[in-house]
Amino acid sequence: RKEVEQDPGPFNVPEGATVAFNCTYSNSASQSFFWYRQDCRKEPKLLMSVYSSGNEDGRFTAQLNRASQYISLLIRDSKLSDSATYLCVVSLNDYKLSFGAGTTVTVRA
Amino acid sequence: EAGVAQSPRYKIIEKRQSVAFWCNPISGHATLYWYQQILGQGPKLLIQFQNNGVVDDSQLPKDRFSAERLKGVDSTLKIQPAKLEDSAVYLCASSLAPPGSGNEKLFFGSGTQLSVL
Repeated sequence: RKEVEQDPGPFNVPEGATVAFNCTYSNSASQSFFWYRQDCRKEPKLLMSVYSSGNEDGRFTAQLNRASQYISLLIRDSKLSDSATYLCVVSLNDYKLSFGAGTTVTVRA
Repeated sequence: EAGVAQSPRYKIIEKRQSVAFWCNPISGHATLYWYQQILGQGPKLLIQFQNNGVVDDSQLPKDRFSAERLKGVDSTLKIQPAKLEDSAVYLCASSLAPPGSGNEKLFFGSGTQLSVL
């Protein structure tokens, strides 16, 4: 089993729609969780950290489910500019991070 | 604040040739990472430095790849000899502190796109 797994998509949604996707991780001892965004041919950039209580940043909501070992990202009121690949990042121990392969989201007009 | 600097931006070489990439992290960032990203995949960690010491190089193909971070600042990644499957984007990232510290936000450079023919 891969350390971090994501549905590759693509999720093709119209503007204004809500889209949500998950990321599963294999190590139950993982402590830190993040969502990074990567635009086509660009470097990844941190979108948000994921906290145990869940957190929201504008139209983006991240949740952590430790029992089922997954994190989720929900995007409300999708904009064209939200089109990107969303990378799930999980800490496997105190010093190592592991990236998922990414979920591609395409928002169409 | 200056970001992570990488060079070159693009490199085309023939198989069995050598190539080197350079990275200058954000000032004060103790942790430096080199990732390999093949098209359609997530970044794969090659090596992680904490200051000038290696924390993790378990996925570095040591028969052909080498990396150093002398003086705990700049870093170079070398491939010798290159293979066709080394074609990828090589990303350098830095963070203030290692994962688990609360200051592990990664800042990436623009990457070096390597094509091995």
